[in-house]
Amino acid sequence: QKEVEQNSGPLSVPEGAIASLNCTYSDRVSQSFFWYRQYSGKSPELIMSIYSNGDKEDGRFTAQLNKASQYVSLLIRDSQPSDSATYLCAVPSNFGNEKLTFGTGTRLTIIP
Amino acid sequence: GAVVSQHPSWVICKSGTSVKIECRSLDFQATTMFWYRQFPKQSLMLMATSNEGSKATYEQGVEKDKFLINHASLTLSTLTVTSAHPEDSSFYICSARGAGALSDEQFFGPGTRLTVL
Repeated sequence: QKEVEQNSGPLSVPEGAIASLNCTYSDRVSQSFFWYRQYSGKSPELIMSIYSNGDKEDGRFTAQLNKASQYVSLLIRDSQPSDSATYLCAVPSNFGNEKLTFGTGTRLTIIP
Repeated sequence: GAVVSQHPSWVICKSGTSVKIECRSLDFQATTMFWYRQFPKQSLMLMATSNEGSKATYEQGVEKDKFLINHASLTLSTLTVTSAHPEDSSFYICSARGAGALSDEQFFGPGTRLTVL
C-alpha cells in the first residue's frame, strides 16, 4: 500500500461548483497534513495545513481531517478557472521525520 | 513571509558540463532544505535532504557524487549537477523547512529548469 494515495483524476468541475479532493495515508501516527497546489510548469505552493481532526477553513478552501479513518480532504468552494491545477497531498514520512511524502496528485480542471 | 528563491530559473548547458543551482530562504532561517526533481507529467521525487553544516542525506538511487549538495549557511543550499547529461534534463525544485510556528511546513522555491544538450 502506498503511503499517500490520491485519485490522479483528471477531475472536472463546473465553474462555481465545489471541488472535492481526497487523500488517504497509511501512517497512523502522522500529525500534520498539507495540501499543495501546482500549476503546470511551476513549483508547488502550500495552500493549506491541518493538524487536528475536523475542518479548517481559509477563504474558499476547507481542509478536512479524519485521523481515525486516515483521510484528509480539500474542498474548494465557488471553483474558478484559476483553480485548475494539480493538487498534492503531503504527509510527513514518519513522526518527527522532516521528509514529506507526497501523493501523486489530483489534476483538477474547472470548466467555465 | 516564508519565501524561497532559486537561481537560475532556467539553464541550458552542454553535455559534460557542471551546473550549480542556488536555493535561498529569503526571510527565514532554514536548517533543513530539500532538493526535488520532477520530470514532465510525473510526481515530485525527493533527491536529498540538506542540513546546514552537515552532509546531505541522499535518497536511494540518487548518486551523491553526481549531485553535490552544500548547505553552508542557514539561508543557502546549493545543488551542483556534475558532468550533466541529457537524461539529467529536468525541473529541479528546492524547498525549505520553516522556522518557529512554521517548522512543520515546507516552502518551495520556483524551480530551475535544466536542459542538457
